Amino acid sequence: KAGVTQTPRYLIKTRGQQVTLSCSPISGHRSVSWYQQTPGQGLQFLFEYFSETQRNKGNFPGRFSGRQFSNSRSEMNVSTLELGDSALYLCASSSIGLAVTDTQYFGPGTRLTVL
Amino acid sequence: QQQVKQSPQSLIVQKGGISIINCAYENTAFDYFPWYQQFPGKGPALLIAIRPDVSEKKEGRFTISFNKSAKQFSLHIMDSQPGDSATYFCAASLFIRSARQLTFGSGTQLTVLP
Repeated sequence: KAGVTQTPRYLIKTRGQQVTLSCSPISGHRSVSWYQQTPGQGLQFLFEYFSETQRNKGNFPGRFSGRQFSNSRSEMNVSTLELGDSALYLCASSSIGLAVTDTQYFGPGTRLTVL
Repeated sequence: QQQVKQSPQSLIVQKGGISIINCAYENTAFDYFPWYQQFPGKGPALLIAIRPDVSEKKEGRFTISFNKSAKQFSLHIMDSQPGDSATYFCAASLFIRSARQLTFGSGTQLTVLP
């Protein structure tokens, strides 16, 4: 079974631009979560999607948004980029995201650099 | 209340030694505690996990010790190997707003010297 794939792997943008990151979950997984990883703040939860609906959202400004398609693939968008948005953005998929032992499987991440 | 505190930030151990990483939490609603291992250039991967009604879980060289009353848990890596050199994250899982959410510790960079 293929793992979680994320594209692109690396991205360089300038302040004020917007960016879209893509995530394809493991086949059969319907829950997709996004995390931001930085050296200072660690791994922080952005949002979670299931059946094209956002079920949960972390404490990030509205510039961060996402969506999920009917095939469970997900995208996240960051508008009006700031220098502080430079981070590794990780996508994780799980079966339905409800059971206690429902493991989250992470992709390799997209490294975003904002200049 | 959703924080998970992890220590130490970095750890250097000799090959064959025991690596110990500690975590503490406040929110008693957390009901599952996984540990993740992350190598450079890779996403975190589940290593081992424990429920709060269990005091210890062992898988190979990896053991979680859980102290519910103290709200603390720790990862022990026995016979540490250079291949174990990675960043380790403890996490706590919570069912909130119709879905499960993971809260991660700040990470421990483990270096195992040959």
